[in-house]
Amino acid sequence: NFMLTQPHSVSESPGKTVTISCTGSSGSIASNYVQWYQQRPGSAPTTVIYEDNQRPSGVPDRFSGSIDSSSNSASLTISGLKTEDEADYYCQSYDSSNQGVVFGGGTKLTVL
Amino acid sequence: QVQLVQSGAEVKKPGASVKVSCKASGYTFTGYYMHWVRQAPGQGLEWMGWISPNSGGTNYAQKFQGRVTMTRDTSIITAYMELSRLRSDDTAVYYCASSSWLRGSLDPWGQGTLVTVSS
Repeated sequence: NFMLTQPHSVSESPGKTVTISCTGSSGSIASNYVQWYQQRPGSAPTTVIYEDNQRPSGVPDRFSGSIDSSSNSASLTISGLKTEDEADYYCQSYDSSNQGVVFGGGTKLTVL
Repeated sequence: QVQLVQSGAEVKKPGASVKVSCKASGYTFTGYYMHWVRQAPGQGLEWMGWISPNSGGTNYAQKFQGRVTMTRDTSIITAYMELSRLRSDDTAVYYCASSSWLRGSLDPWGQGTLVTVSS
């Protein structure tokens, strides 16, 4: 089955830029859209990027998404980091082999 | 406003079953898939399956096949997830979330339902 792998944690200072990777296990990650969710403690996840690089209304343009086919990975980049960005981030895609949904293991972002 | 409202917290004994509801409002219920995702304490998100409220068709993650049943009642725009033969490691927050198509994002999400399995 298709799997997505994320780093367990990343940290960066306020005002800086951080990139979180999401690597597909097999096939081409570009063959299905990747979404990114932000989850703060005690809350349900919310979408920050959908369909690889689209931002829902209300999500600041400091958040951006991209796909790198050469490394079979997706990336979430957050620029101008704010303390409020501190949260867990999950990538998600679709597994065509079983019509299922796949989540990455999540990355804890610390802004210090 | 598109919204999913879930039923309240549950405490169950090992071996029992739990049924969680998810009531939708603000959109065409039958036009969207309803997914169920769980999150054990301190762990990541785990997809359990989806139901098509339009057809009633389902697709369950292999891990839960035989133990999970997803249903819906279109008359009251509510989806249900029932998990049977509960074990202690089923203790988790269970979320419903909708998507307009299977390759798209899960949005919105319900507020989550904590299910605690303990003797």
